[in-house]
Amino acid sequence: EAQLVESGGNLVQPGGSLRLSCAASGFTFSSFEMNWVRQAPGKGLEWLSYITSSGSTAYYADSVKGRFTMSRDNAKNLLYLQMNSLRAEDTAVYYCSKGYAGTVWGQGTLVTVSS
Amino acid sequence: IQMTQSPSSLSASVGDRLTITCRASHDISDHLAWFQQKPGKAPKSLIYGASRLQSGVPAKFSGSGSGTDFTLTISSLQPEDFATYYCLQYDSYPFTFGPGTKVDIK
Repeated sequence: EAQLVESGGNLVQPGGSLRLSCAASGFTFSSFEMNWVRQAPGKGLEWLSYITSSGSTAYYADSVKGRFTMSRDNAKNLLYLQMNSLRAEDTAVYYCSKGYAGTVWGQGTLVTVSS
Repeated sequence: IQMTQSPSSLSASVGDRLTITCRASHDISDHLAWFQQKPGKAPKSLIYGASRLQSGVPAKFSGSGSGTDFTLTISSLQPEDFATYYCLQYDSYPFTFGPGTKVDIK
C-alpha cells in the first residue's frame, strides 16, 4: 500500500528556514511526480509546488516562488521542501501528495512561524 | 486558472442525494480531481480525471464534466460523508484548488 510520511515541521522565527521531508513507501517513488500542499489554520487547501519524477523540473505557486525549493532523492525515496525567509502567513500544515492528481497524501506536518 | 465551487456550504440529511459543482476559469479538459477532508485529517482522494473513481472509494461517489464545469455527486449521504470537499485542477501550473464545500448534518 502506498504511504507518505511527512516530517520536519517545527516552530520557527520569522525570516528563518526549515526543511520538510516526505518519506515514500509502497510504490515506485521514482516513477511518480509529487506535490506539496499546505493548509493554514481554518483555511482551505493551497497547492505549493510540483516536481517531475526525475526531479529535473519543479513548479511553484507565486506565494512561495523564490523562497521555497522542492527536491527529491529517488535513491532514498525522499521528497524535500526547503523553506527560507519564512513569514507568519506560512504557518500551516504541510502535506506531500503523489501524482498529478494527488491520489495519496501523507498525514501532514505542522509549521508554525512566530516570534 | 481560478476554481470556484458551489455551494460553499450546505446542510443535508442522511440518505440525501448531493451534488457539488466546480467551475474552472479556463478549459482544463478532464484534469480535475475531488477530495474529501474531515476535521484534523489529511485530504482523501475520491475522483481523478474528472470521473475516475479512486481505488477503494465507494461507488456512491461519482464525478462528471469536462472543460470548465464539473460535478461531484454523492448518491445517498451517510454519516461518514459529512466533511469538506475540494476540487483541484491539474491542467496547468500553478495547480489550484477550489475554496471547498462544507457538508454538515441538517
